[in-house]
Amino acid sequence: QVQLVQSGAEVKKPGSSVKVSCKASGGTFNNYVINWVRQAPGQGLEWMGGIIPIFGTANYAQNFEGRVTITADESTRTAYMDLSSLTSDDTAVYYCARAPYYYDTRGGVGTAYFDYWGQGTLVSVSS
Amino acid sequence: EIVLTQSPGTLSFSPGERATLSCRASQSVSSDYLAWYQQKPGQAPRLLIYAASSRATGIPDRFSGSESGTDFTLTISRLEPEDFAVYYCQQYGTSRTFGQGTRLEIK
Repeated sequence: QVQLVQSGAEVKKPGSSVKVSCKASGGTFNNYVINWVRQAPGQGLEWMGGIIPIFGTANYAQNFEGRVTITADESTRTAYMDLSSLTSDDTAVYYCARAPYYYDTRGGVGTAYFDYWGQGTLVSVSS
Repeated sequence: EIVLTQSPGTLSFSPGERATLSCRASQSVSSDYLAWYQQKPGQAPRLLIYAASSRATGIPDRFSGSESGTDFTLTISRLEPEDFAVYYCQQYGTSRTFGQGTRLEIK
C-alpha cells in the first residue's frame, strides 16, 4: 500500500522560503515521478514540477521556474519542495503526488497521471 | 500550453441519475493522455480514469471515460450519494495542465 505523508502546516512571511517534505512508504519510490501540485483556497489544481529520484533531475512548470526547487533523498524515500520569494498568492495547500513516467516520441521523459497523493500541507503567507 | 475547459462549472443531479461531465482541450492531447480526478472537501484528489478511458485500481465501474478528438467525457452511470464532489480533468501529453473543475451537486 503506497502512502505519501507530508510535513505539517507552515506560516511564512512574505519574501521568505518554505520547504515541504513528502515521505513515501510501500511500493517503489525511485522509479516514479514525485510531483508537487498546489491548490489555492477555493481554486483548482496547479502542477509545479516533479523529480524521478533514480534520475535525480527535476523539471518544473514554467510558472515556477527559478523559484521552486524539488529534490529527493533515496535513502529516506523523501522528496522535498522548496519555494522561495513567497507572496500572499502562494497561500495554498501543497500536495505531493506520485506518477508513472513514460518516454515520449522525442526520447524525453514525460510524467503521466497522479495515482497516489499525499494528504496536503497548508502554507499560509502573511505579514 | 494545452488549455482544458470544463463546462459547466456546476452540474445538479439527483442520486440514481446519469451524469456526463465534459472536458475540451485547446489542441490535440498526445496519445489520449488524459486523466480524471475526484476531489471531496478537505481531501486530496483521487485518480478515477487515466489514458482517457482506463479505470484506476478500485474505481467502481459506474465511472467511465471516453474521448472524441479534443473532447473528453466522464460518465457516472448511476449517481451514488458519495459521488457528489468536484471533478478535474488533466492532460499529461504536453507538460501537465488541469481543467478548472466541475462541481457535481445534489439537486
